[in-house]
Amino acid sequence: SQQGEEDPQALSIQEGENATMNCSYKTSINNLQWYRQNSGRGLVHLILIRSNEREKHSGRLRVTLDTSKKSSSLLITASRAADTASYFCATGGPNDYKLSFGAGTTVTVRA
Amino acid sequence: DAMVIQNPRYQVTQFGKPVTLSCSQTLNHNVMYWYQQKSSQAPKLLFHYYDKDFNNEADTPDNFQSRRPNTSFCFLDIRSPGLGDAAMYLCATSRDGVRKLFFGSGTQLSVL
Repeated sequence: SQQGEEDPQALSIQEGENATMNCSYKTSINNLQWYRQNSGRGLVHLILIRSNEREKHSGRLRVTLDTSKKSSSLLITASRAADTASYFCATGGPNDYKLSFGAGTTVTVRA
Repeated sequence: DAMVIQNPRYQVTQFGKPVTLSCSQTLNHNVMYWYQQKSSQAPKLLFHYYDKDFNNEADTPDNFQSRRPNTSFCFLDIRSPGLGDAAMYLCATSRDGVRKLFFGSGTQLSVL
């Protein structure tokens, strides 16, 4: 069943601006991951943060995790047109290797 | 390059006519997954193979079946497609102990 829920559902920003999206989940997790999906394509893994980590960086991406609030955020800094995509959070439980995905945030970066 | 390949990219079938989607991988990953994704929705796990062990999700309709003849290949069979089965079908792989998923480009299924 779907575990994470992203907020907002859609986001439109100007090139160069930062984009922030949030994910909330319901049960305990082993890790939380973020994926990107370009229109009509498969998902691409962006970043994984473990339950004992609070913040992680990868290039222009910054992910935070607050297990007490069961929430995570993804920040994309200095956005580019190529960042236009849907972004999904996915959670994995402590005892399984399946991922449950949220409904995603659709990000549009205007040139 | 090592990757996950799905064929065909687009598949059109008729209502009630069996259809098979295929997935192959060169990553030598032991876990393979099939997800169904409808427009603007979350990918929904249908089933997965852990090595040769098949694991069905409780809410996956009986109309959907899967085969994994070897490590590299996995098939999704839809026995009698209905209009509601039109969706993007995504194959993914992972290596045991590493939770990151590698996805194929998907097969967009249309049911007429």
